[in-house]
Amino acid sequence: DSGVTQTPKHLITATGQRVTLRCSPRSGDLSVYWYQQSLDQGLQFLIQYYNGEERAKGNILERFSAQQFPDLHSELNLSSLELGDSALYFCASSVGTRGNEQFFGPGTRLTVL
Amino acid sequence: QQPVQSPQAVILREGEDAVINCSSSKALYSVHWYRQKHGEAPVFLMILLKGGEQKGHDKISASFNEKKQQSSLYLTASQLSYSGTYFCGIGSSNTGKLIFGQGTTLQVKP
Repeated sequence: DSGVTQTPKHLITATGQRVTLRCSPRSGDLSVYWYQQSLDQGLQFLIQYYNGEERAKGNILERFSAQQFPDLHSELNLSSLELGDSALYFCASSVGTRGNEQFFGPGTRLTVL
Repeated sequence: QQPVQSPQAVILREGEDAVINCSSSKALYSVHWYRQKHGEAPVFLMILLKGGEQKGHDKISASFNEKKQQSSLYLTASQLSYSGTYFCGIGSSNTGKLIFGQGTTLQVKP
């Protein structure tokens, strides 16, 4: 158990819908990261927040957005869902902004039908 | 920009050794190694920061060659529990962004 929690574990929805994935980092960690893992794309970095501020952005689609709240939990919002958005979404956390171990949560499996 | 891992897959018998390589086209600041079992989260193994150091714990170690822009993961006397997919992630010098390789699937047989 990494100490990072994610809800829900599974999500099944239809194309065009909007969903919110939630992540609570390990106690004491200020950075939260979101990654997408699909069979054809591997593990892809989406976005990093540090203490409430956006720190780095990857190839995150405009339909996706995230934020980190004052209690440091984070949410990833996915809208206008497409079949290709079906994937495992992982949240990770670390103490600092860079060069630190990142601990991954159990992931949310999103299926878009 | 994605680092290249080799080999793509390897099958071992218990007790055998393996080496997984990770090569980057960019200068390395940090290399992060993870192991992932099917359907589970990646599990952190170790991180190496630039400086050409070698790290290890138990029977898993890794090296970092800044000049060659590559890192290698060494698994000695492999155990069944070592089976899984190994990923290297290249870290940025100014953010926590990790760019992962495509993964190396390791299967250890009794």
